[in-house]
Amino acid sequence: DTAVSQTPKYLVTQMGNDKSIKCEQNLGHDTMYWYKQDSKKFLKIMFSYNNKELIINETVPNRFSPKSPDKAHLNLHINSLELGDSAVYFCASSQAGTSGAPYEQYFGPGTRLTVT
Amino acid sequence: AQSVAQPEDQVNVAEGNPLTVKCTYSVSGNPYLFWYVQYPNRGLQFLLKYITGDNLVKGSYGFEAEFNKSQTSFHLKKPSALVSDSALYFCAVRDAQAGTALIFGKGTTLSVSS
Repeated sequence: DTAVSQTPKYLVTQMGNDKSIKCEQNLGHDTMYWYKQDSKKFLKIMFSYNNKELIINETVPNRFSPKSPDKAHLNLHINSLELGDSAVYFCASSQAGTSGAPYEQYFGPGTRLTVT
Repeated sequence: AQSVAQPEDQVNVAEGNPLTVKCTYSVSGNPYLFWYVQYPNRGLQFLLKYITGDNLVKGSYGFEAEFNKSQTSFHLKKPSALVSDSALYFCAVRDAQAGTALIFGKGTTLSVSS
């Protein structure tokens, strides 16, 4: 069974479009995350959700909006896509929230977004 | 601000030789440090973490890491490299001020030759 899954795996779209990436985890974790990996393989946190509450929002454009319908899902919606949004987006999950031991995060396989 | 540095873009070793992938960190409090591996076109896989206690941490696939507080380092090691260890390795630190998110180094590509 896949622990953290993402759909789609590949997404090619044109500038100005709106798209969503879905993420689901079956690990029973409390916290989920979205990371962006750029063309140089650099990884940066975008958002994290704990018990359906946004607890981190880094300097991400407001065109990006995470939506969590329940604890097992954290979807990423992107409005008005730009060329610079092309990257690989990773979903991850972990136990615990802001308190407790620093549990490791489990990552999904990634979604490669290409904006043309 | 908390950060990690991986000074080497690439490390090359021969199969059977020991390997070291370097990582240094900067944190304001106690560090929580992690190593992840990424194979081509795959997500990141957790290798090991340091929270507190023994400075030598053992992880998956025969990897271990040595925490050195005085040198603020957390180097990844393996006594005998395998060709299948070839991948991209990330060191990460947990940002206590920003919840549980990880701050990653730029990554080091490990290439093991047969």
